[in-house]
Amino acid sequence: QVQLQESGPGLVKPSQTLSLTCTVSGGSISSGGYYWSWIRQHPGKGLEWIGYIYYSGSTYYNPSLKSRVTISVDTSKNQFSLKLSSVTAADTAVYYCARKNGYSSGLDYWGQGTLVTVSS
Amino acid sequence: QSALTQPASVSGSPGQSITISCTGTSSDVGGYNYVSWYQQHPGKAPKLMIYDVSNRPSGVSNRFSGSKSGNTASLTISGLQAEDEADYYCSSYTSSSTLVFGTGTKVTVL
Repeated sequence: QVQLQESGPGLVKPSQTLSLTCTVSGGSISSGGYYWSWIRQHPGKGLEWIGYIYYSGSTYYNPSLKSRVTISVDTSKNQFSLKLSSVTAADTAVYYCARKNGYSSGLDYWGQGTLVTVSS
Repeated sequence: QSALTQPASVSGSPGQSITISCTGTSSDVGGYNYVSWYQQHPGKAPKLMIYDVSNRPSGVSNRFSGSKSGNTASLTISGLQAEDEADYYCSSYTSSSTLVFGTGTKVTVL
């Protein structure tokens, strides 16, 4: 059974960089066939896709966040990471990592989510 | 990219059927058979209910079904049960190789 777990600071200061890591267990990122994704949800609001990465390093980002987002993968640790720069209070949200099958549209496994608050 | 459009709320009585719509454009919903639906209960992570327009993952009740016509996809829940009360989101692959989510629909079981 594949499991994903987000980790990282729950509080980030404005203008700093938000950094989160997703650790994957029960399956290998480097086995291929999947896109490893980040999604966020502002408090009381809907889901927003941030981006995803293939194990080879190919990345795709939400155009509205592209200038501030970097997603990377560390196959040796079976982890992938999110960096969001120049954060403001508007980046306060629950951040989820998830797996998308490369041959279909569904995000089939999700982490539990982690709340990141941007505040001084 | 703009969020896909869903009704804010849909309600029904136990045992009834309800349908949630998800409207996009020819660059997303209408252009690909890559629409998914997610169920989210309060405080929980979303759960995949339908992928590729009409396919159910293993373990998802056959009371959930999906379809698509043109730029609009739909999720139908038949035999509505109290446990179906949740938020539902559609998502679609886009012509830019990205994903876009819908605005979300709150389902209330009366």
